[in-house]
Amino acid sequence: SAVISQKPSRDICQRGTSLTIQCQVDSQVTMMFWYRQQPGQSLTLIATANQGSEATYESGFVIDKFPISRPNLTFSTLTVSNMSPEDSSIYLCSVEDPYRDTIYFGEGSWLTVV
Amino acid sequence: AQTVTQSQPEMSVQEAETVTLSCTYDTSESDYYLFWYKQPPSRQMILVIRQEAYKQQNATENRFSVNFQKAAKSFSLKISDSQLGDAAMYFCAYRSSGNYGQNFVFGPGTRLSVLP
Repeated sequence: SAVISQKPSRDICQRGTSLTIQCQVDSQVTMMFWYRQQPGQSLTLIATANQGSEATYESGFVIDKFPISRPNLTFSTLTVSNMSPEDSSIYLCSVEDPYRDTIYFGEGSWLTVV
Repeated sequence: AQTVTQSQPEMSVQEAETVTLSCTYDTSESDYYLFWYKQPPSRQMILVIRQEAYKQQNATENRFSVNFQKAAKSFSLKISDSQLGDAAMYFCAYRSSGNYGQNFVFGPGTRLSVLP
């Protein structure tokens, strides 16, 4: 499976600020995904990021709040903008493995907004 | 829309014993995939096992096996010879065939504790 690295691993942020999470994959992948996991909850898909096109956002998530970049086949960023305490979550990057019909995850970025 | 239910928020097992985690799902599709992911305190989601709906044979990965009952829409995970490192949140997930990623639906999770 691909090795997926996320930065930062953890951060404490002031409300009203923005933070960009980076996701680096050790191989080229077509589709990358960003998930949010609120405290004690399951995973919710934020958006799908394909290289060379605009990200596709799920219901309840908008580009102004969660802008995503996908400049190449091994890298993506997710920005959490104008943060509030409700944005305190684990944000997970994942990539598809088309040969196994599954997705693999990075280590996650644990954001706490104070 | 598909839904995934895990009716056991928490489970515990003695070290070296066997435990079964339950998962049911709702779908009108005939072709799909089912997964169990493990999330230890380190937070990284780790794929434990996958099952293709068109295969009748239950998937097995070392100490982990599933009981897939397609008609009942049930997909339970059995962990044999439980180890302390098995302690984690376990998420059952469903994926439609065809497009990736956006078709993944995760259950609410079951927290497994392993008692020494």
